[in-house]
Amino acid sequence: EAGVAQSPRYKIIEKRQSVAFWCNPISGHATLYWYQQILGQGPKLLIQFQNNGVVDDSQLPKDRFSAERLKGVDSTLKIQPAKLEDSAVYLCASSSGGTGLQGYTFGSGTRLTVV
Amino acid sequence: AQSVTQLDSQVPVFEEAPVELRCNYSSSVSVYLFWYVQYPNQGLQLLLKYLSGSTLVKGINGFEAEFNKSQTSFHLRKPSVHISDTAEYFCAVSDPQGAQKLVFGQGTRLTINP
Repeated sequence: EAGVAQSPRYKIIEKRQSVAFWCNPISGHATLYWYQQILGQGPKLLIQFQNNGVVDDSQLPKDRFSAERLKGVDSTLKIQPAKLEDSAVYLCASSSGGTGLQGYTFGSGTRLTVV
Repeated sequence: AQSVTQLDSQVPVFEEAPVELRCNYSSSVSVYLFWYVQYPNQGLQLLLKYLSGSTLVKGINGFEAEFNKSQTSFHLRKPSVHISDTAEYFCAVSDPQGAQKLVFGQGTRLTINP
């Protein structure tokens, strides 16, 4: 089966600009996650979707970050305006439900550099 | 709230030597436990997971981990490492009854020297 697709792979922007990332999960996976991985740290959950509804966005900086999952399939994560501290790898993951049984599948990530 | 502590940020070992990467977790409820590996410029790949049952879990690439509830640990081991095992390793915990998000540790960078 195809994996989790993310684009772009790399992005360099200036601070205060906006940027968007795209994720296409594995077909049929109801749950989609966005994680932020800052260099030297473990991934941190930003937002979790179940179909097209938000389950957990408690760690999403809502003044600048937004995410949507239209029709319960693809998802986009947007940052506007970007800050230097947003430089990180943004990982998308999907699961068919139940981390224990099915586990997660991660995409290769988008590496964002804010200058 | 759940948390994970990986006790070593870097572990250098020689090729064909054994290795142990340490992970401790904190949780007030039962947990699922995971180890992921991340090769340079790639996403996270599942090595193994503990859900229930036998406390010794075997994974891919010759890795295994042992769940110790009394010590709240889930250490990763491999009896003989290869150069190709050079990567970042992440321990993670999930609450089976909750939203089932993964909470990750800070990671351990495993470097294999020839």
